[in-house]
Amino acid sequence: GAVVSQHPSWVICKSGTSVKIECRSLDFQATTMFWYRQFPKQSLMLMATSNEGSKATYEQGVEKDKFLINHASLTLSTLTVTSAHPEDSSFYICSAADRVLGGYTFGSGTRLTVV
Amino acid sequence: GQNIDQPTEMTATEGAIVQINCTYQTSGFNGLFWYQQHAGEAPTFLSYNVLDGLEEKGRFSSFLSRSKGYSYLLLKELQMKDSASYLCAVRDTTDSWGKLQFGAGTQVVVTP
Repeated sequence: GAVVSQHPSWVICKSGTSVKIECRSLDFQATTMFWYRQFPKQSLMLMATSNEGSKATYEQGVEKDKFLINHASLTLSTLTVTSAHPEDSSFYICSAADRVLGGYTFGSGTRLTVV
Repeated sequence: GQNIDQPTEMTATEGAIVQINCTYQTSGFNGLFWYQQHAGEAPTFLSYNVLDGLEEKGRFSSFLSRSKGYSYLLLKELQMKDSASYLCAVRDTTDSWGKLQFGAGTQVVVTP
C-alpha cells in the first residue's frame, strides 16, 4: 500500500531555533499534502494544504511566516517551524492524497518539544 | 462554521460491541472517513462512506445518513488492541482530494 515516510519522529530544540520536518511519499506521487498539528488528547487540526509546485494554503489562524511549507516535488513536502517557542511543542503529522489508489495516507508523525 | 461531534470516551468489555456516533454540520459534504489512532502514532484508515447506507469491513462497519448529518462506526467482537482513539473526519469540499476536517476523537477503552 501507499507509504508516507515522515522524519524526524521526534526532535527537541531550543527556543528560537528552527526545525524542519520532512514527508516523503515512497511509492506514489503526492500531488497534495496536508499538514496537521495535534495537541495531547485533542484531534488533528489542519494547518495547511500544499500542492506540488505552488504556494501552500493556510488555515485561518496559522501563521504562514512561522510555519513554512515547501512542496517542490511530487514526493517531498517539508514543514519548517521557524523561531520555535515552547507553545509550538506538539505532534505534527503530514498526510498525502493518493490519487491513484484513493484515500489519504498519514506519515508516522513528529513529536516536537521546544525547551 | 464546521462542526463535527463525537463522544469523548466509551468503555466496553472484550468481545462486546461498541457504536461510536458522529454528527456533522459542514458547509459541504464529499465523504466521511473513520480513522483509528493509537497514542503517539499516526491515524490509520478504517472506512469511507459517501453514499447513504452501511459499509462492512470485517469486524468494523460504518453507516452514513447524509440527510441527518450522521454516521456511526460499529466495532464488533472487541479486542484489547481496539483500545484507541477513533476519529470521524468529513471532506467538505467538492474537490475529491480536498482537505479533511476531523472531530475531536472518541477514546475507546476495552476492558477484560
